[in-house]
Amino acid sequence: RKEVEQDPGPFNVPEGATVAFNCTYSNSASQSFFWYRQDCRKEPKLLMSVYSSGNEDGRFTAQLNRASQYISLLIRDSKLSDSATYLCVVYRSGSARQLTFGSGTQLTVLP
Amino acid sequence: NAGVTQTPKFRVLKTGQSMTLLCAQDMNHEYMYWYRQDPGMGLRLIHYSVGEGTTAKGEVPDGYNVSRLKKQNFLLGLESAAPSQTSVYFCASSRDRNEKLFFGSGTQLSVL
Repeated sequence: RKEVEQDPGPFNVPEGATVAFNCTYSNSASQSFFWYRQDCRKEPKLLMSVYSSGNEDGRFTAQLNRASQYISLLIRDSKLSDSATYLCVVYRSGSARQLTFGSGTQLTVLP
Repeated sequence: NAGVTQTPKFRVLKTGQSMTLLCAQDMNHEYMYWYRQDPGMGLRLIHYSVGEGTTAKGEVPDGYNVSRLKKQNFLLGLESAAPSQTSVYFCASSRDRNEKLFFGSGTQLSVL
């Protein structure tokens, strides 16, 4: 089983839609959680960290459920510019991987 | 600020050739990383460094070597390239181990 798993998609949604991605992690000792965004053929960039109480940044909301070992990303009022691959990232101290990246979920927002 | 700069952006090698990828950061970060990204695999950590003069193995270190002689530079070497090393390579740096990663723009490497 992969340490971090994501639904690869693709998710194709119309502009203005709300879309949610889930990510599960296998190691309960995982400590920090992040969502990165990667545009086609570009480097990943941090979208937001995920805090235990959940957090919001504009149209983006991240949630963490430690009991079920998953994190989620909700995008409201999707824009064409939101089209990208969203990477779930988990940090666990003592891991040779340091930060473990999920394979990513591809989102396409359609006009 | 330039952030993280990787060179070269593209390279084609023949099997058995060697090459070095250079990563430079101007943010005074202690931590630097080399990842490879393959379709369906996500980013996998090759080697990393927690400070000048230190290196450590990541998840997929075989076939690669690294050096961090200066704090701002992290070099990734392929001594004898193999087709399985065809990939996109990303360098990254961070202030601390679980903080935001800043990535370079990537190197597309093809080994024929």
